[in-house]
Amino acid sequence: DAGVTQSPTHLIKTRGQHVTLRCSPISGHKSVSWYQQVLGQGPQFIFQYYEKEERGRGNFPDRFSARQFPNYSSELNVNALLLGDSALYLCASSLEAGYAETQYFGPGTRLLVL
Amino acid sequence: QKEVEQNSGPLSVPEGAIASLNCTYSDRGSQSFFWYRQYSGKSPELIMSIYSNGDKEDGRFTAQLNKASQYVSLLIRDSQPSDSATYLCAGSSGSARQLTFGSGTQLTVLP
Repeated sequence: DAGVTQSPTHLIKTRGQHVTLRCSPISGHKSVSWYQQVLGQGPQFIFQYYEKEERGRGNFPDRFSARQFPNYSSELNVNALLLGDSALYLCASSLEAGYAETQYFGPGTRLLVL
Repeated sequence: QKEVEQNSGPLSVPEGAIASLNCTYSDRGSQSFFWYRQYSGKSPELIMSIYSNGDKEDGRFTAQLNKASQYVSLLIRDSQPSDSATYLCAGSSGSARQLTFGSGTQLTVLP
């Protein structure tokens, strides 16, 4: 079975631009979470979606938005990019959205903002 | 702020030794804990999950959880050079059951 897939794998943007990152969860998984990982740190939670509804949002500005589609795939959008948005963006999927649910990570999208 | 703290490392152990990785958490509402391994330039991959106090063993890996002390650990027995990676501890809490990660411990297993 295919794991979590993300596209694109790498992206270079300039300050002020916007970016859309895409994620397809493991087949049968209904929950998708997005994390940002800057170099040398652990991943930081951005959003979680379950059954197309936003279940939670981390401490990120309104420039960050996301949505989940009927097929459970998801998009993360970032507007007005800043240099500090340069990071590895990780998508994780889980069957449901409970405490015991294991989240499986995709390969990530590496974003560089110049 | 809910935090997960890991022993900062880096940690070096000789091949065949036991590597001990430690983690403490501040949110008593955290119910589940996960250890992920991350190779340089790659995404995190799950090693183990643990939900109840005590030990959980899976092959060369043993996770330990002590909710009273708010402490989680991972032991790697018979360490191999292929175990060299950054190990991330995460707790699940909050309305979205989101993962809160520590900053990771870099482990190097010397041949």
